[in-house]
Amino acid sequence: QVQLQESGPGLVKPSQTLSLTCTVSGGSISTGSYYWSWIRQHPGKGLEWIGYIFYTGNTYYTPSLKSRIIISIDTSKNQFSLRLSSVTAADTAVYYCARVGFAELHDAFDMWGQGTMVTVSS
Amino acid sequence: QSALTQPPSASGSPGQPVTISCTGTSSDVGNYNYVSWYQQHPGKAPKLMIYEVNKRPSGVPDRFSGSKSGSTASLTVSGLQADDEADYYCSSYAGSNSYVFGTGTKVTVL
Repeated sequence: QVQLQESGPGLVKPSQTLSLTCTVSGGSISTGSYYWSWIRQHPGKGLEWIGYIFYTGNTYYTPSLKSRIIISIDTSKNQFSLRLSSVTAADTAVYYCARVGFAELHDAFDMWGQGTMVTVSS
Repeated sequence: QSALTQPPSASGSPGQPVTISCTGTSSDVGNYNYVSWYQQHPGKAPKLMIYEVNKRPSGVPDRFSGSKSGSTASLTVSGLQADDEADYYCSSYAGSNSYVFGTGTKVTVL
């Protein structure tokens, strides 16, 4: 059973860069059957898709955050990462990593990490 | 990309059905059969309940069903149970390798 686990600092200062890593276990991140995605949820609010990466390194980002995001992948470590620069209090949220079906469960987020709360504050 | 529109709340008595709508546009829900639904209990990660409009992943009870008409998708939970009380979100592929989520609906079991 594939599992995803987010890790990274829970507190980031304003204007700095938020960095999170998602470790995938129980399966290879290099399968061509899935994309690997980041999603966030502001406190008490709905879900917001941030972007995703394919094992080839191809990335796709939501337009509203595109100028501040980098998603990368390390297939040797079975991990993918999120970097969000120039953060403000508006970036305070629970950040989830998730697997997106490509060949099967088309465009559905079928596996999720438990989520990690990131607070932007000085 | 605007969030898909869902009613803020829905409720029903145990054993009764509840239906949640998810309204998008011709650029997302209306153009693709890649609508999915997620259940989220407080403090937990979302769980996939329906994908590709009306397909259930393994392990999801058949009380959960999905449908779509035009730019509006719907999730129906028949035979409500106490554990169905949760937030529900829809999602749709929105073209150009992007996705959009719904605003979320809180389902209360009376």
